[in-house]
Amino acid sequence: QSALTQPASVSGSPGQSITISCTGTSSDVGGYNYVSWYQQHPGKAPKLMIYEVSNRPSGVSNRFSGSKSGNTASLTISGLQAEDEADYYCSSYTSSRWVFGGGTKLTVL
Amino acid sequence: EVQLVESGGGLVQPGRSLRLSCTASGFTFGDYAMSWVRQAPGKGLEWVGFIRSKAYGGTTEYAASVKGRFTISRDDSKSIAYLQMNSLKTEDTAVYYCTRDWGPVDYWGQGTLVTVSS
Repeated sequence: QSALTQPASVSGSPGQSITISCTGTSSDVGGYNYVSWYQQHPGKAPKLMIYEVSNRPSGVSNRFSGSKSGNTASLTISGLQAEDEADYYCSSYTSSRWVFGGGTKLTVL
Repeated sequence: EVQLVESGGGLVQPGRSLRLSCTASGFTFGDYAMSWVRQAPGKGLEWVGFIRSKAYGGTTEYAASVKGRFTISRDDSKSIAYLQMNSLKTEDTAVYYCTRDWGPVDYWGQGTLVTVSS
C-alpha cells in the first residue's frame, strides 16, 4: 500500500494560518471518513490532533481543524504558535489496514 | 490515565527473532484493538499491523512488508499486547510504537528501539 502524499515542508509566521494537504485515492482518503492527523515533536511519540476527518480530541486546541474533499484531506492550523513547530502526519483507513502520509515538517518562522 | 509501555527492544542480528511487549493501563484493554506502528530513523510512520478485540474475533492484519514474519497477539488477562518479529532484516530497524486503536489510533506508547545489525 503506497503512502499518502504530503508536502515535505510548510512554513508560516506566528499568528498566520497554514494548511497541510494529504492526497490519497478513492480506496483510502476518498473512500472512508477515517482520516486522522498526528503531531510529532522531535524525540516524542505522535499525538492525535484530528480524527474522522474533522473531529478534535478533548484537549486539542480549536486552532487545529480538518477537512476533506474527494481524495484529499487537509489540516489547517490557525494563529500559528512557536510550539506548533513539529512534524505532521496524516493517516487513513483502507481495506482493514492503516496507511500514513510521508509527513510534513512545519516551521514557524 | 491511559498508558502504554513498550519493552523488549534492542540490538539483534539479521535473521534472528525478537518479541516486543506492550503493557497497557488506564482503560479496559480487552475492549480495544491494538496496533503497532514503526518509525525508521529519520523517516516517517509506517503501520505494522493490528489485532482486533475478542469481540471482533481477535483477528490480525499486517502490512505487506512484515506479513509472514511478524505476529501480533494479546493477553487480555494481563493487558499486554505482543509483537513477535522473526527473520528480522536490517530494514526493520526502527522505533516501534504500541498504540490503542479504536479507529483512529489515539494513544501511543513512548516507543522501543529495535536495531537489526550484524
